[in-house]
Amino acid sequence: QLVLTQSPSASASLGASVKLTCTLSSGHSSYPIAWHQQQPGKGPRYLMGSGGSHSRGDGIPDRFSGSGSGAERYLTISGLQSEDEAVYYCQTWNTGIRVFGGGTKVTVL
Amino acid sequence: QVQLVESGGGLVKPGGSLRLSCAGSGFLLFDYYMSWIRQAPGKGLEWISYISRRGSSVYYADSVRGRFTASRDNTQQSLYLQMDSLRVEDTAVYYCVRDLPYDKSLEPFDLWGQGTVVIVSS
Repeated sequence: QLVLTQSPSASASLGASVKLTCTLSSGHSSYPIAWHQQQPGKGPRYLMGSGGSHSRGDGIPDRFSGSGSGAERYLTISGLQSEDEAVYYCQTWNTGIRVFGGGTKVTVL
Repeated sequence: QVQLVESGGGLVKPGGSLRLSCAGSGFLLFDYYMSWIRQAPGKGLEWISYISRRGSSVYYADSVRGRFTASRDNTQQSLYLQMDSLRVEDTAVYYCVRDLPYDKSLEPFDLWGQGTVVIVSS
């Protein structure tokens, strides 16, 4: 069964960095993923895909970066800003299914 | 302007029906698979359906299969979700999302609509 696992919460100080983890279920480590951000009271927006820096969405600052291969994928936010306080979802897909992780709520201290 | 705009949400009684629409602009809808995703109050994101470019293949999550029907009209740049036999647990914000692109050099899932609210309550 295709499942994505994310930690429920993370926090870091303003200006610091935070690294979020998204874990693919066993047997699915080669699947592509995408990352989405949902700020409080807003709809989700696309951050980036598996394609590195050029896969960032329109207007997404380069403070956001993706990394990892295999089952563990990461989203790193550098130089945390107050507007980065949000829930971050990873997503994967295959024929017939799309799957979201449970989301990680990032708090900026 | 490249965007997706959902409409058609509202308040409906359990067992009732509702039809959501999603209008795409600034790009060719035909170039993309399209997905419907929902978010119940205070919960995470739940994929519920995706439809292929021509509409010949449609897939559903177990939670809505047999009750919801996704379709599209590429000539109208529109995506639809017919929701029947609605349940209280279908209460959510419903989003349409640009899914897999025909051009494999482009990123999938890169555009979300603003969402439309569906409330199922007696």
